[in-house]
Amino acid sequence: KAGVTQTPRYLIKTRGQQVTLSCSPISGHRSVSWYQQTPGQGLQFLFEYFSETQRNKGNFPGRFSGRQFSNSRSEMNVSTLELGDSALYLCASSRRTGVGTNEKLFFGSGTQLSVL
Amino acid sequence: GESVGLHLPTLSVQEGDNSIINCAYSNSASDYFIWYKQESGKGPQFIIDIRSNMDKRQGQRVTVLLNKTVKHLSLQIAATQPGDSAVYFCAGVPYNQGGKLIFGQGTELSVKP
Repeated sequence: KAGVTQTPRYLIKTRGQQVTLSCSPISGHRSVSWYQQTPGQGLQFLFEYFSETQRNKGNFPGRFSGRQFSNSRSEMNVSTLELGDSALYLCASSRRTGVGTNEKLFFGSGTQLSVL
Repeated sequence: GESVGLHLPTLSVQEGDNSIINCAYSNSASDYFIWYKQESGKGPQFIIDIRSNMDKRQGQRVTVLLNKTVKHLSLQIAATQPGDSAVYFCAGVPYNQGGKLIFGQGTELSVKP
């Protein structure tokens, strides 16, 4: 069974540009969540999607957005990039369905974004 | 508020010894916990999970202990091997926020041959 797939693996952008990252979850997983990892702040939750709906959101500015498609694939977008957005962006998928349920989250290898 | 913290940023052990990595959490992040291992250049790899209604769970060479009284959990790795060298994260899930993991800062485990 294929794991979580994230593309691209590396990305270099300049300040002010926008970027779109892609995530394909494990087959059968309908919940997709996104995380930002930096040396200073560690791993921080961005948002979670289920059935094309955002179900939970972390404390990030509105420049960070996402969406989920009917096949559970997800994208996240960062507009007006800032130097501080340089980070490893990780996607995780799970079998979680109900609001009050917990399931294992499996991560992809991430997209390393560098903003110059 | 929600917080999960690890006790030591680094841990060095001899190959073959047992390793213990500790983690503390605040009241909110207390429903479900997962331990992850992250190697350089890779995403976090699931190791083991434990739900708040359990005190202990065992996997292959790993054991997670949950002490709800002092809000503490630990990951024990038996017979530590060089391949266990990585950064280990504990993550907690607040009640009714199942897709949201609150991560600790991580403990870097080094295994000396």
